Amino acid sequence: AQTVTQSQPEMSVQEAETVTLSCTYDTSENNYYLFWYKQPPSRQMILVIRQEAYKQQNATENRFSVNFQKAAKSFSLKISDSQLGDTAMYFCAFMKHMTNAGKSTFGDGTTLTVKP
Amino acid sequence: DTEVTQTPKHLVMGMTNKKSLKCEQHMGHRAMYWYKQKAKKPPELMFVYSYEKLSINESVPSRFSPECPNSSLLNLHLHALQPEDSALYLCASSGGGGLMNTEAFFGQGTRLTVV
Repeated sequence: AQTVTQSQPEMSVQEAETVTLSCTYDTSENNYYLFWYKQPPSRQMILVIRQEAYKQQNATENRFSVNFQKAAKSFSLKISDSQLGDTAMYFCAFMKHMTNAGKSTFGDGTTLTVKP
Repeated sequence: DTEVTQTPKHLVMGMTNKKSLKCEQHMGHRAMYWYKQKAKKPPELMFVYSYEKLSINESVPSRFSPECPNSSLLNLHLHALQPEDSALYLCASSGGGGLMNTEAFFGQGTRLTVV
């Protein structure tokens, strides 16, 4: 079984600054995907970024980037130039290769507040 | 259209009522899911329909019953719920092919209150 741990229940950052959210996971699988999902107060969960385990290059999506350390089983999310709209709960998730995406294992989440 | 639509957005029901939650997607996805989410917690998977086959989380009580009339629609029938069932109920779908297989698309949820 897989486990996903987010050790920061809450974080805050000033607008325009950079913040890093931590995630570690445990698995015996070699082929898998890791995700960061965002859930704003509007409730809808949205995929922020995705990393394929066999790719060594860290994924980036505009202001969002990850630091993927496969050997350490670490997958942190960096948000640059934070914006008020980034205020949300962020979930780290793990998915085994060749399984349904909705069966991902989620961490407990980190609530991020961006302050003006 | 990358949207999962859930209705209603809010629902208040008594413990003796029967109600249904509805979920619809038009992305051609062949897997759909129901989750229960308590405040400040991750979503808990309740049911999966994948290619019309149902998988159940065995910890889900029988007062919740899913129905999949076709590959675009997913219902969750509620009967004799308890106050502890009050939560946000999320629907999601996945399975569009290629990298789309690796993303779950979520609806906005139904906020359920059992009184």
